[in-house]
Amino acid sequence: AQKITQTQPGMFVQEKEAVTLDCTYDTSDQSYGLFWYKQPSSGEMIFLIYQGSYDEQNATEGRYSLNFQKARKSANLVISASQLGDSAMYFCAMSDGGGFKTIFGAGTRLFVKA
Amino acid sequence: GAVVSQHPSWVICKSGTSVKIECRSLDFQATTMFWYRQFPKQSLMLMATSNEGSKATYEQGVEKDKFLINHASLTLSTLTVTSAHPEDSSFYICSARAPGTGGRQPQHFGDGTRLSIL
Repeated sequence: AQKITQTQPGMFVQEKEAVTLDCTYDTSDQSYGLFWYKQPSSGEMIFLIYQGSYDEQNATEGRYSLNFQKARKSANLVISASQLGDSAMYFCAMSDGGGFKTIFGAGTRLFVKA
Repeated sequence: GAVVSQHPSWVICKSGTSVKIECRSLDFQATTMFWYRQFPKQSLMLMATSNEGSKATYEQGVEKDKFLINHASLTLSTLTVTSAHPEDSSFYICSARAPGTGGRQPQHFGDGTRLSIL
């Protein structure tokens, strides 16, 4: 069975600094996808970044980068130059190779301080 | 880009009422949609997978008779919470993935429905 673990319930970061949100996963599949979503207090889910299990390069999307360490089964999200608007809940998620089902981690609440 | 619309965004109703939530894919045909439930400050829990033209696949522990799912067209899936009670109060959110994209593309989420049963 697939499992996503986020061990940081809450994180604080100073505005303009970088922050890393941890995510580890467990799966017996060879092909899978890893995602990060942002959920502000309004509730909508905002897609941030994707990493495929066969991708050799770490994914980057603007200020977001995914530190993918396949052997360690970790997919940490790095947010550079944090902004006040980054304060939100962040979920790590994984889908199987067919993309049929996606499971989510418990989430990390990020607080950006001015 | 692809958009998923969910309606209503907020429902408050009396105990015993049935509530229908709609999830529409606006610019693509979705043969599969997903329904999640989220309690305050918790993660999204997959309730069921909605399949166009066939029965939904429910996750373990989800009551099929309580949460009725109908996916009658390629752009619409509905979740009906039957005879709702206060413990059914939650945030319900649907998602869909554009066809042919496999696992590499993210799911597109609706904005969610906050259900409060008095």
